Order: sequence, then structure tokens, then C-alpha cells
Amino acid sequence: EDQVTQSPEALRLQEGESSSLNCSYTVSGLRGLFWYRQDPGKGPEFLFTLYSAGEEKEKERLKATLTKKESFLHITAPKPEDSATYLCAVQAFGGTSYGKLTFGQGTILTVHP
Amino acid sequence: DTGVSQNPRHKITKRGQNVTFRCDPISEHNRLYWYRQTLGQGPEFLTYFQNEAQLEKSRLLSDRFSAERPKGSFSTLEIQRTEQGDSAMYLCASSFSGKGNEQFFGPGTRLTVL
Repeated sequence: EDQVTQSPEALRLQEGESSSLNCSYTVSGLRGLFWYRQDPGKGPEFLFTLYSAGEEKEKERLKATLTKKESFLHITAPKPEDSATYLCAVQAFGGTSYGKLTFGQGTILTVHP
Repeated sequence: DTGVSQNPRHKITKRGQNVTFRCDPISEHNRLYWYRQTLGQGPEFLTYFQNEAQLEKSRLLSDRFSAERPKGSFSTLEIQRTEQGDSAMYLCASSFSGKGNEQFFGPGTRLTVL
């Protein structure tokens, strides 16, 4: 069974203090690893898809990286508006599970001014 | 691009009542997914459709839950004989199978069962 574990559960940063969020996964065959941002009371907002180990993607202050066992979301010089829950999910190859995403529990990020 | 829409946004019901939620996907997307999310947890997969065909249902989905996607357009999720444990955010997502398969989520329907 596919599993995703995110750490830490919560992270409090000062504005400008860079850090990383971790996503460890086990999956039968990785089709893609997805990062989402979720604000309170809203649906997840798509950020990145990573497909193979060594791949990196960037968007503004966010950079996602992927290895064979984990992914990192690096946040450089965060601002208060980056405060949200960040979700990691995996999608596996094969069978009828082709479309399903398996999510971790999320990391709640709070950035103080 | 109007995005994924869901109605209603909030639903309060009494235990034992039936409820139905609607999802309208992004117009060119052929795949549609339903997830459930409880407080402090990530979304949990319920079921998904490719066009009008329901291709997978989670083993966690009881017989009280049913989903349809007539004509491969909008979808409905019905919960019969609701229980307090059904209280959650119900999320719908859509994707296009030929383009990376990124899933785009709607705002969700918050269900409270009293």
C-alpha cells in the first residue's frame, strides 16, 4: 500500500528565515509526486509535479526536489503570505489506481513578520 | 478558465438524512475525483471517473456512498443515512489524462452531521 509521511507536522518561521519541509514516501511504482498548498477552509492549490529522482522545480520562493525515497520543499526567505498547510501526494503506475493520489497529513507552516 | 466548482459549499444535516453534493469540473478535463478530508489530515481518496465510467472506488467507501457522472460532465456524490462520522470536507478534483494528470481541486463542500 502506498504511504506518504510529512515532517515536521508544524513549522514556525520568522520572515526571511529559510527552511525545508520533508515528504517521505513508499509506492509500488512512482508515476508522480505532487505538492499542493492549502489555505484554511479552501481546496488544495496545485504547486508542482516531480516525475523522477534528481528533478527540481521552482516557483517564486519555493523549490521542490525529488529522490527515490523522499521529496523536499525548500522555502527561501519566506513571507507571512506563505503561511499555509503544504501537502505532498504520490500517484502510482498501473491498474485502476492510475488516477488516485495518496496524500500525507501535511505540514502547517506559519511565517511571522 | 472558471476552475472546479462545488455546491453547496456548506451542508448541515441531521443524522439519518440523505445528502447530495455536486461537482462541475474544468470543462476540458475528462477525469474527475472525489476525496474526503477531516481536520488535520490530508485528503483521502474516495472514487474517480474517466469520462462517465467509474474506474475505482476506495475500500473505505461504504455502501451508503454513491457517485455518478452522467454523460461525463458534472458529478454527484450522495450519502445515504448520514452518520456523525461522515462530517468532513468533501473535495472534488479534475484532470486531463493527456497532460501530466495534475489534479485541480474545487473549494470543497463542508458537511456537518448533527
